[in-house]
Amino acid sequence: GQNIDQPTEMTATEGAIVQINCTYQTSGFNGLFWYQQHAGEAPTFLSYNVLDGLEEKGRFSSFLSRSKGYSYLLLKELQMKDSASYLCAVRARDSNYQLIWGAGTKLIIKP
Amino acid sequence: DGGITQSPKYLFRKEGQNVTLSCEQNLNHDAMYWYRQDPGQGLRLIYYSQIVNDFQKGDIAEGYSVSREKKESFPLTVTSAQKNPTAFYLCASSPGGGGTDTQYFGPGTRLTVL
Repeated sequence: GQNIDQPTEMTATEGAIVQINCTYQTSGFNGLFWYQQHAGEAPTFLSYNVLDGLEEKGRFSSFLSRSKGYSYLLLKELQMKDSASYLCAVRARDSNYQLIWGAGTKLIIKP
Repeated sequence: DGGITQSPKYLFRKEGQNVTLSCEQNLNHDAMYWYRQDPGQGLRLIYYSQIVNDFQKGDIAEGYSVSREKKESFPLTVTSAQKNPTAFYLCASSPGGGGTDTQYFGPGTRLTVL
């Protein structure tokens, strides 16, 4: 069956770098998404990976290794507003190409 | 301004009552989705629609119903058959047609059943 794992919570310091990992087990992988969700609000799209490698977008980068079933989201120059949950979602053939979501990683930024 | 709207933001209902949550989009997206979010769990798909007048059950469709009579609208009814309806409900839409097909979310409706 499908399974997506992320750490439940992480803490980092303002100005630092943090890496949030996501591992998945699916059949017929068709893309991986990262979303940011502030408490009580809607998720907002951050990045999409379908090929192996690193996608960089400003302070945020996302990496994918399909052979390892592994992705990470890298956040640089952390700001207090980056305190949020980060959701990993995978699209695959065995979910009829609908997104399967991890439970999210709550990131706490300290001054 | 293009976007997805959900109303109301907070909704309270008595146990045993049906309730309908609205979702409207003016992004001209073909596909629309309903998710449920509970603390400590990932988003779970309730229903989705890839085209007008057609929709499919997601992983947790029992106790819910939907309609897609217009491209812009995808209302969700939470029926009295849903055993644990208190949750945060999120509607999303995407252009459809494969490829990246990124989903964009409305602000959500927090439903509390008393």
